Amino acid sequence: NAGVTQTPKFQVLKTGQSMTLQCAQDMNHEYMSWYRQDPGMGLRLIHYSVGAGITDQGEVPNGYNVSRSTTEDFPLRLLSAAPSQTSVYFCASSYRQGNYGYTFGSGTRLTVV
Amino acid sequence: GQQLNQSPQSMFIQEGEDVSMNCTSSSIFNTWLWYKQDPGEGPVLLIALYKAGELTSNGRLTAQFGITRKDSFLNISASIPSDVGIYFCAAQNYGGSQGNLIFGKGTKLSVKP
Repeated sequence: NAGVTQTPKFQVLKTGQSMTLQCAQDMNHEYMSWYRQDPGMGLRLIHYSVGAGITDQGEVPNGYNVSRSTTEDFPLRLLSAAPSQTSVYFCASSYRQGNYGYTFGSGTRLTVV
Repeated sequence: GQQLNQSPQSMFIQEGEDVSMNCTSSSIFNTWLWYKQDPGEGPVLLIALYKAGELTSNGRLTAQFGITRKDSFLNISASIPSDVGIYFCAAQNYGGSQGNLIFGKGTKLSVKP
């Protein structure tokens, strides 16, 4: 049982490049979400999904796209990377949206130069 | 938007000392949670609180859900070196975007030099 798997662990991008951060969970969780963590800012919600085919925006969605074609996978796409998107990105999943604690992946550290 | 004010931002501990941190908000929540993050890893759930006034322990950790539903605290008794890390409070409500987890900015625990 792998839990929440994020790839890659580290990535360096040039400004303007695009890329996809992968997230997969094997716990049959309905709810999945993406957070970014910046120093002194805590974790801020980018996008979330309450089930396959359903996505919605969080607190800081600009510059990011998501889709949820399967229960297991929830990729995060950076359309045109900017230095302001340098951050550590965490994917999290939960049995259901609501009062359930989340399981987090180990993160992707992204640097945009 | 909703915000969690976590304090202190950082603290130094000496082995054996008790540690306290808290989280407040101007909003009411149905669930309070406490997470710990080790370097290079995602946050891991320590304690979840589901009822106002609830006091819950997990080993040397004790957390309480404030009676007003607007705050929570975490105590660590007899600290040990492996307690070092960043502790986050988090809170959520039921349903829709209210069911998303919001986080405090974290309390960084370091060992006293």
